[in-house]
Amino acid sequence: DVKVTQSSRYLVKRTGEKVFLECVQDMDHENMFWYRQDPGLGLRLIYFSYDVKMKEKGDIPEGYSVSREKKERFSLILESASTNQTSMYLCASSFLALAETYEQYFGPGTRLTVT
Amino acid sequence: SQQGEEDPQALSIQEGENATMNCSYKTSINNLQWYRQNSGRGLVHLILIRSNEREKHSGRLRVTLDTSKKSSSLLITASRAADTASYFCATVLPAGANSKLTFGKGITLSVRP
Repeated sequence: DVKVTQSSRYLVKRTGEKVFLECVQDMDHENMFWYRQDPGLGLRLIYFSYDVKMKEKGDIPEGYSVSREKKERFSLILESASTNQTSMYLCASSFLALAETYEQYFGPGTRLTVT
Repeated sequence: SQQGEEDPQALSIQEGENATMNCSYKTSINNLQWYRQNSGRGLVHLILIRSNEREKHSGRLRVTLDTSKKSSSLLITASRAADTASYFCATVLPAGANSKLTFGKGITLSVRP
């Protein structure tokens, strides 16, 4: 079974802190994704990566950066956390296909509160 | 926007009844996927239906796709209390390979024991 793990289930940080959210997958997937989920807004894509050291902006990249130094690990970085970044953060991974987009496998989520 | 829109926003049924959830979208797609999310957890993939398919089954799940109406439905038969969750449809553009998934806002399903 695919397993996607996230470093924390709950996290509380102060405004202005640098925050690292880590995600690890064990299925040798090429693609990895970071989403945030807010009530009434659904899931919104922040960043994704097709390969090591490669990254692409999603729909809401402002205030975030990412790092992918190893294939299995994808980190989301909040350079200076703000209260409007309080949210549920979900990591996902999937296979890279030449002709189709496959399903994504999600981690359990990190509920981040910025005070 | 390509975003799928689910309907209804919330659904409450009795255990044993069938639950039907709908998803509409605006532009052509490569495939459409349904996911489930239990409270406070990550999403779990349920089923994928391609644009050239009309119906798929998986256990108690039945998904239909009508590309002429740009809509899909997810039917859960003989519902159980454990089916209580949020359900999301996600669409993939016709670019096909490695396109992003665009999620709807979800449907909250409550199954009363």
